[in-house]
Amino acid sequence: DVKVTQSSRYLVKRTGEKVFLECVQDMDHENMFWYRQDPGLGLRLIYFSYDVKMKEKGDIPEGYSVSREKKERFSLILESASTNQTSMYLCASSEGMGNIAGGLLYEQYFGPGTRLTVT
Amino acid sequence: SQELEQSPQSLIVQEGKNLTINCTSSKTLYGLYWYKQKYGEGLIFLMMLQKGGEEKSHEKITAKLDEKKQQSSLHITASQPSHAGIYLCGADIGTSYDKVIFGPGTSLSVIP
Repeated sequence: DVKVTQSSRYLVKRTGEKVFLECVQDMDHENMFWYRQDPGLGLRLIYFSYDVKMKEKGDIPEGYSVSREKKERFSLILESASTNQTSMYLCASSEGMGNIAGGLLYEQYFGPGTRLTVT
Repeated sequence: SQELEQSPQSLIVQEGKNLTINCTSSKTLYGLYWYKQKYGEGLIFLMMLQKGGEEKSHEKITAKLDEKKQQSSLHITASQPSHAGIYLCGADIGTSYDKVIFGPGTSLSVIP
């Protein structure tokens, strides 16, 4: 079974602090993703990575950065946390880049989530 | 408006009853994923559908992708309290990278 773990289930930080959220997957997956989930807004993609040291912006990258130094680990960084970053953060991984024309798609596997509160 | 819509938004059913959740897109669905989320936890992958007319089952949960590939339904037979949670559909609508968009979710409660 694919296992995606996140460093913390709950985190409370103060405004202005630098926050690191860690995600590790154990299935040698190529792709890794960071989402945030908010009531009424659903899941929104922050950043994703398709290879070590590679990253792509998602829909809401502002205020966030990411790091992928090793294939199994993908970190989300809040450079200066703000109250509007209070949210549930979900990490996911998938086997590789799909090929729609070839009918090849890969499902994403999610971690348990980190509920971050910024006060 | 959401690119991917789900109906109903929430559902309360008596244990043992059948139920259906729908996921509708305004664009062609190249891949459709169903997930279940327990409150406050991560998403659990249930199944993936790709071909129009495709139907998959897992235990008492059946999902189908319609022929025109713009709608999927998730059907639960003889619901149990363990089925309670939030059901989300995710879709690959053919963007330039491997992006999956998610529906807003359907909250299911099963009353014993």
